[in-house]
Formats: sequence, C-alpha cells, structure tokens
Amino acid sequence: SQKIEQNSEALNIQEGKTATLTCNYTNYSPAYLQWYRQDPGRGPVFLLLIRENEKEKRKERLKVTFDTTLKQSLFHITASQPADSATYLCAPVNQAGTALIFGKGTTLSVSS
Amino acid sequence: DTAVSQTPKYLVTQMGNDKSIKCEQNLGHDTMYWYKQDSKKFLKIMFSYNNKELIINETVPNRFSPKSPDKAHLNLHINSLELGDSAVYFCASSHGLAGPSGDTQYFGPGTRLTVL
Repeated sequence: SQKIEQNSEALNIQEGKTATLTCNYTNYSPAYLQWYRQDPGRGPVFLLLIRENEKEKRKERLKVTFDTTLKQSLFHITASQPADSATYLCAPVNQAGTALIFGKGTTLSVSS
Repeated sequence: DTAVSQTPKYLVTQMGNDKSIKCEQNLGHDTMYWYKQDSKKFLKIMFSYNNKELIINETVPNRFSPKSPDKAHLNLHINSLELGDSAVYFCASSHGLAGPSGDTQYFGPGTRLTVL
C-alpha cells in the first residue's frame, strides 16, 4: 500500500538556523509533490510544488528538492524564525492533480 | 473574505445520529474535496467533485454521502455516526484537474467531529 513518512514528528531548532524536513514515499510514483503548512486548529496552506522532472525549487527562504530515485523530498527553511513554527505536510500528487494522502507532518519549533 | 468556509467548526453528537457539515468556496473553483484527518494526523481524501460531478470516491463507508448543489458548495452528510468517525474533516477546493501543471488546493478551517 502507498506509504508516506516524514522524518520526525517534531523538530526543534534555534532561530537563524536552517530547518530540514524529510518526506519519503513508497509504492507511489507521484507526478509531483506539494508541501503545505498547517497551524493548530487550521487547514493546510499550500507552500510549494515540485514536479518529478525538477530537482530543486525555491521560494524566498524555502527550498524543496525531489529525488524520484530515492523517493524522497527535502524541505528546507533557511534563516528560520519563530513565526515558521508550525506543522509541515508533504503530499505526493498523482497525474490527475489530486493529493490522495498527506504525510502526518513534522512539527517545527523555532526558538528565539 | 473567507475563501473556503465550513460550518460548524465543532460538532459533538451521539452515536447513531445523522449530521451534516457544510462547505462553501468563493474562489470560483471547479473542484471541491473532502478530507479526513484522523487522530494519527494523516490527512486522507474521501471525495472529490468537479463541476458538481463525483470524480473521486475513496474507500469510504456509504454512510458518508457528499452532496454538491452547485459548484460553490459541497456538503457532507453522515448517517448513523460511529465512534470511529471522530476526526477533523477538511473541505478544500482547486481550479480543476490540472494534471502536470499542478493544482493547488485551498483548505477550509476544518470541522472537528466528536462522536460520543
């Protein structure tokens, strides 16, 4: 069955450092992969999308990589800030454009 | 302006009852979805509608019935509620089945359903 794993449930880092979150998937060949941010009591908010033929994508302080051989995506937040504290979800997306399942997320805490 | 709204935000009910959750989007999107986020935090798709037509129906008990009166609304009706139905239900919308061009989903705030 399709499986998505996000490295650790919680990641604690100091302000200014780079946070790196991992998303691994098995029994899945996504056309692309999305990353979302979810704050407590709220719905996920889209951050970035990376296609299977793209190695890397950047948006401001965010960077996503996608390795279809390793079946892995890495999500980096550089110069992290306390406001970046949230849960980050990865979602492999099928050819039809629908994310059928999301990873359970990594909760990032950035301390000042 | 709320892009995707859901009502109610909290729903507490007894086993065996029938309840509905409403969802509305004002983004002009063609596709709407229902997701369930369980206690383990996995978010899984339940249904997807495109232009009022059901296009995705994952393995969901037939006690769950989505209804789309128009493109802007997708309601979820649940019959004979069970303890295992307790979860947070999210509605989402997107432009459509964009395929390789990607299709960003916009999520509502969620409805926390507790079945006692």
